[in-house]
Amino acid sequence: QKEVEQDPGPLSVPEGAIVSLNCTYSNSAFQYFMWYRQYSRKGPELLMYTYSSGNKEDGRFTAQVDKSSKYISLFIRDSQPSDSATYLCAMSASGANNLFFGTGTRLTVIP
Amino acid sequence: NAGVTQTPKFRILKIGQSMTLQCTQDMNHNYMYWYRQDPGMGLKLIYYSVGAGITDKGEVPNGYNVSRSTTEDFPLRLELAAPSQTSVYFCASRYQTGANYGYTFGSGTRLTIV
Repeated sequence: QKEVEQDPGPLSVPEGAIVSLNCTYSNSAFQYFMWYRQYSRKGPELLMYTYSSGNKEDGRFTAQVDKSSKYISLFIRDSQPSDSATYLCAMSASGANNLFFGTGTRLTVIP
Repeated sequence: NAGVTQTPKFRILKIGQSMTLQCTQDMNHNYMYWYRQDPGMGLKLIYYSVGAGITDKGEVPNGYNVSRSTTEDFPLRLELAAPSQTSVYFCASRYQTGANYGYTFGSGTRLTIV
């Protein structure tokens, strides 16, 4: 079983739609949860960070962590063409030196 | 503030050749990492360092070596390049200040072994 599972998509939505991206994981020791956005031929850039369970909102982006279900989500409201990218979930355990990544979901927002 | 800088951006190597991928950061982060990204496989950790003079293996270290003589620099060395090492390589540094935590990635080196 992979440490982190992520639906690779691709996902195509019209501009203004609400987008839901999800990851599941198997390691109950994970405490740090991140979402990265990666544009084509660029490095990943941190979008959202959440420690342990709960929700975090930043503008149009909301990250949710449900540790009881080992499930994390990223919601994008009022999606824009500039949101078209690959979104990677990533997580690690406290004190660990490895960040486990999902395979990424490619999102296209159509104007 | 340049962040994490990787060079070169692209490189084609012949089987059996060697090369060094350069990585430097100007944020004074102690933790640095090398990942490779293959299509549909996510990012895999090759090596990491928790500070100058200290390095350790990640998930996929075979065929690679690293050194960390300064806080700023963390080069990745490929000896005897093999086609399986064709990939995109990312260097990253980690920060943790108060409630903030995350990894800053470079823009990557796209390496092809022929």
